[in-house]
Amino acid sequence: QSALTQPASVSGSPGQSITISCTGTSSDVGSYTFVSWYQQYPGKAPKLMIYEGSKRPSGISNRFSGSKSGNTASLTISGLQAEDEADYYCCSYAGSSTVIFGGGTKLTVL
Amino acid sequence: QVHLVQSGAEVKKPGASVKVSCKASGYTFTGYYMHWVRQAPGQGLEWMGWINPNSGATKYAQKFQDRVTMTRDTSISTAYIELSGLTSDDTAVYYCARPAAVVPAAGGQFDPWGQGTPVTVSS
Repeated sequence: QSALTQPASVSGSPGQSITISCTGTSSDVGSYTFVSWYQQYPGKAPKLMIYEGSKRPSGISNRFSGSKSGNTASLTISGLQAEDEADYYCCSYAGSSTVIFGGGTKLTVL
Repeated sequence: QVHLVQSGAEVKKPGASVKVSCKASGYTFTGYYMHWVRQAPGQGLEWMGWINPNSGATKYAQKFQDRVTMTRDTSISTAYIELSGLTSDDTAVYYCARPAAVVPAAGGQFDPWGQGTPVTVSS
C-alpha cells in the first residue's frame, strides 16, 4: 500500500492562498469521507486541522478548509500567515480498518 | 483535558526489541481505540496499527505484521507497542494517537497525539 501523493513543497506570500493536494485511489480517498489533515512543526507532534474531508475541530482557524473530488483531497489555507509555515500531512481511511498517510508537504511562507 | 503521555527516549542495538508506553488521562481509556504512528528522521508519517483497549483486539499494518505487538493495561490506562527485530530503519519517533471521536474508531482522524518517543537503533 503506497502512501498518498502530496507535493513535496508549496510556497506562498503572506495574505495569499495556497492549496495542497492529496491524491489517492478508489480504495482510499475516493471511497471514504474519512480524510484528515495535520499540521506539524519541527520536533512537535502533528495537530489535527481538518477531519471528514472538510470539518474543522474546535479552535482551528476558518482560514483552513478542506475538500475532495474523486480520488483527490485538498487543503486550502487562505490569508497565509508566517505561523502557517510547517509540514502538512493528509490521511485517509483505506478500508479493512487500516489507515494511510500522505508523504507530506512543506509549506514555506515567503 | 485529554492527554497522552509517552515513555522516554530509547537506544537499542540491532536485533533487539523496544517497548514504548502511552498513558492516557482525561477520558475513558476503554472507550477509544489507540493507534500508533511513527516518523523516521526527515520522513513522513507511517501508520503502524491500533488496539481496542476494551477488548484487546488489534490490527497491524501489513509491513509490521510479523514483529509488532500492541497491548494495554486498563488498570493504569496505558497502551504499549513493542517492536522486535530492530534495524537501523526502525530509527524513528513513535507516536500514540487517539481517534478524535468514538466513531469511526479506525478512520484515521487523530486528536490528540502523544508527545512522541524517539527510538534510535545503533550498534
